[in-house]
Amino acid sequence: GAVVSQHPSWVICKSGTSVKIECRSLDFQATTMFWYRQFPKQSLMLMATSNEGSKATYEQGVEKDKFLINHASLTLSTLTVTSAHPEDSSFYICSAQATGTPKVDNSPLHFGNGTRLTVT
Amino acid sequence: GEDVEQSLFLSVREGDSSVINCTYTDSSSTYLYWYKQEPGAGLQLLTYIFSNMDMKQDQRLTVLLNKKDKHLSLRIADTQTGDSAIYFCAEIGGYKLSFGAGTTVTVRA
Repeated sequence: GAVVSQHPSWVICKSGTSVKIECRSLDFQATTMFWYRQFPKQSLMLMATSNEGSKATYEQGVEKDKFLINHASLTLSTLTVTSAHPEDSSFYICSAQATGTPKVDNSPLHFGNGTRLTVT
Repeated sequence: GEDVEQSLFLSVREGDSSVINCTYTDSSSTYLYWYKQEPGAGLQLLTYIFSNMDMKQDQRLTVLLNKKDKHLSLRIADTQTGDSAIYFCAEIGGYKLSFGAGTTVTVRA
């Protein structure tokens, strides 16, 4: 089956520093990747849609300068949390849609295992 | 996801059947999904159903879809301790998945 690798699985950083999270599709190409944030005991909130070779599309209320997304290749998207603050502590999950499949409506996404970010 | 609603908790005895319910609002949804999330992990796709289907069965899992009432359910037969997790239903609305808040299933001996 399709595998999405997310790295790191957990990270602790100090306030004011930046943290980069990687999302890789290991055995398929992904034109589109999605970044979600999950608060404790809550559902996933879509932050942005990452498109290979173009700018990411951010959901309303998500600061694009705060959460930098780069999708430089068909197998890698990165999310950088810049100048992190304790309120950025959360569980971040990426998902990828395989290239060549029908529109996303017709294809389930493949999820990474998530990154637990703690900002002290 | 405010457009997808689920009950938050379900406790079930080992060996019994679990039924998790979900309602959604987007009548144009073409696919509906069930995902499983174990503690500290990402989401694992369990199953999905096309909107033109009423039922789909996959081993211990049975998905029922009532499109008229926009109601989706997941039945897990012979629930095991390994089934303890959070279960999310999701629908495709446009280009993105909308998730319910998740149902925490606890399996007791």
